[in-house]
Amino acid sequence: DTGVSQDPRHKITKRGQNVTFRCDPISEHNRLYWYRQTLGQGPEFLTYFQNEAQLEKSRLLSDRFSAERPKGSFSTLEIQRTEQGDSAMYLCASSFDGGAYEQYFGPGTRLTVT
Amino acid sequence: DAKTTQPPSMDCAEGRAANLPCNHSTISGNEYVYWYRQIHSQGPQYIIHGLKNNETNEMASLIITEDRKSSTLILPHATLRDTAVYYCIVRVYNAGNNRKLIWGLGTSLAVNP
Repeated sequence: DTGVSQDPRHKITKRGQNVTFRCDPISEHNRLYWYRQTLGQGPEFLTYFQNEAQLEKSRLLSDRFSAERPKGSFSTLEIQRTEQGDSAMYLCASSFDGGAYEQYFGPGTRLTVT
Repeated sequence: DAKTTQPPSMDCAEGRAANLPCNHSTISGNEYVYWYRQIHSQGPQYIIHGLKNNETNEMASLIITEDRKSSTLILPHATLRDTAVYYCIVRVYNAGNNRKLIWGLGTSLAVNP
């Protein structure tokens, strides 16, 4: 399967703990996006990378959130000191730098903070 | 930012065409219309996109009005597996050349046997 993959698929953590999610984009895609989705809502943009450069961060991305994309390949999203409000589906998408830039999504990581 | 308006829910009989409308009256001349769908508990799936002309692929057809203020996604022969939330999105440009997508609430399509 050469689609976008995310790991883990599910994560349950206690409030105050740190969590890290990984996203592996489609190999030839140089753009990578993180979105967050809560129940009944559409995805909300969090941040965006072009190669290894993080070019935009949403106001939703508080200081407790950090994302990296070393070497422009896989990306990690870390949440420090998790809060119950962080419970959501975290989605990763990638796109090719050309054409209409359609984004292809991974299956998501569902985070539950207890 | 261009926004979209979609009906919250629709029903369709299996084997019939599903026509999902979307209004995007503030769309700019260089903004594309994208359609994605999301089956329960899965990541969104790209369906189709268009700028001005009607488009067709193996999944669906996209009809964009001449004034580009609205569009319709057509699933020609809906199956039970097409039951999903369908999102109509207008891509937003900004100074960082970002291609982020601004999502609404979508239309929940139920295909009934």
